[in-house]
Amino acid sequence: AQKITQTQPGMFVQEKEAVTLDCTYDTSDPSYGLFWYKQPSSGEMIFLIYQGSYDQQNATEGRYSLNFQKARKSANLVISASQLGDSAMYFCAMRDSAGGTSYGKLTFGQGTILTVHP
Amino acid sequence: NAGVMQNPRHLVRRRGQEARLRCSPMKGHSHVYWYRQLPEEGLKFMVYLQKENIIDESGMPKERFSAEFPKEGPSILRIQQVVRGDSAAYFCASSPLAGGQYFGPGTRLTVL
Repeated sequence: AQKITQTQPGMFVQEKEAVTLDCTYDTSDPSYGLFWYKQPSSGEMIFLIYQGSYDQQNATEGRYSLNFQKARKSANLVISASQLGDSAMYFCAMRDSAGGTSYGKLTFGQGTILTVHP
Repeated sequence: NAGVMQNPRHLVRRRGQEARLRCSPMKGHSHVYWYRQLPEEGLKFMVYLQKENIIDESGMPKERFSAEFPKEGPSILRIQQVVRGDSAAYFCASSPLAGGQYFGPGTRLTVL
């Protein structure tokens, strides 16, 4: 069975500094995808970044980068130059290959609440 | 290109009533997923549908819950005889054949 673990219930960071949000996963499937979503207080789920298990390079999207360490089964999110608007809940999620297809359900971690201080 | 649409955004029902939640996927997306988020928890998968087909319903409660994605119109998540424990945020996500899942704004269901 798949499992996603986010061990940090809450994180604090000073504005303009970088912060790393931890995510570890467990799966026996050789093909999988890893996602990060942001959920602000308004409640919507905002897609941030995606990493495929066969991708050779770490994914980057603007200020977001994914530190993918396959052997350690970790997929940490790095946010550079934090902004006040980054304060939100962040979820790590994994998608398996659904029996050979390239799409399937997402399994989510419990989330990390990030608070950015001015 | 409009995003995933969900309505209503907020729904209040009394115990025993029915709740119908609607989801219109993004244009060009043929896959729809429903997730439930209980307070202070992450999202939990409920069901995955393609047009006129349920692909994976392993996360659906065995009773009172059903989902459909007809050939025409939105996907519907239906909860019959709601109970207080059904109070949650219900999210719909859509994806193309391959790629990330894009979420709608969610429907907050409150059962009185």
